[in-house]
Amino acid sequence: EAQVTQNPRYLITVTGKKLTVTCSQNMNHEYMSWYRQDPGLGLRQIYYSMNVEVTDKGDVPEGYKVSRKEKRNFPLILESPSPNQTSLYFCASSLSRLSNQPQHFGDGTRLSIL
Amino acid sequence: QKEVEQNSGPLSVPEGAIASLNCTYSDRGSQSFFWYRQYSGKSPELIMFIYSNGDKEDGRFTAQLNKASQYVSLLIRDSQPSDSATYLCAVYSGGGADGLTFGKGTHLIIQP
Repeated sequence: EAQVTQNPRYLITVTGKKLTVTCSQNMNHEYMSWYRQDPGLGLRQIYYSMNVEVTDKGDVPEGYKVSRKEKRNFPLILESPSPNQTSLYFCASSLSRLSNQPQHFGDGTRLSIL
Repeated sequence: QKEVEQNSGPLSVPEGAIASLNCTYSDRGSQSFFWYRQYSGKSPELIMFIYSNGDKEDGRFTAQLNKASQYVSLLIRDSQPSDSATYLCAVYSGGGADGLTFGKGTHLIIQP
C-alpha cells in the first residue's frame, strides 16, 4: 500500500530534550516536506526536499533541522525543543515538485513540549 | 508574500443541498489549484485538483477556476453528514522556494 509513515504519532516531552520525528514513503517520490498545523494559522511549511541531499527552508524553519540521506526518508529534528513547537506535524511527499503533483500526507505527529 | 484566502466558517449546509466553498489567491501567475479535505485530527486528503479555467467534475465534487478573477471554488452536490470537515485550498505558484501555499481552511458542517 502506498503510504507516508510518520513516527511517533504522539509525543509528550520536555524543553531542551532533543527529539526526532521520522518520515518514510514507499512511493519512490522525489519531493518531501514537513508542515506544522496550528489553530488559526493553518498549514505552514517547515522544510522541503527536492531530492536526496537537497533540502531547503520553508516558511517557518527556525528551531528545526532535516536531512535527506535516502530518497524514502526525511526525518525532522528538534535539537532543543521549546513549548512554542507544540503542534501537529505532517510529513508529505509527491512524485516531483512539478506544478501538477498533489501531495500525499502522513497521518500526523502530535507533539507536546512541556 | 503569496496569499490564499478562505472564509474560515463554519459554513452550515442542510443535508442534500449544495455546499459552495470559495478560495481567492494573490499571485496572478499561479498554475495549479488543489482542494484537500481534513477531518479533525486527521491528515489532509486530496479531493480535487484543477489547472485550467472552467469546471472539473468528479462524482459529487466540482472544482471551478477563474484565473482572471483569481478565484477557485469547490462545489459539493447532495451534501452528506460525512462531508463535514475542514476544506483546504492550496495554490501552486512556482518560482522560488516551494511555491505551494495553503489557505487556512473552511470548516463545513452538513446538518442532518
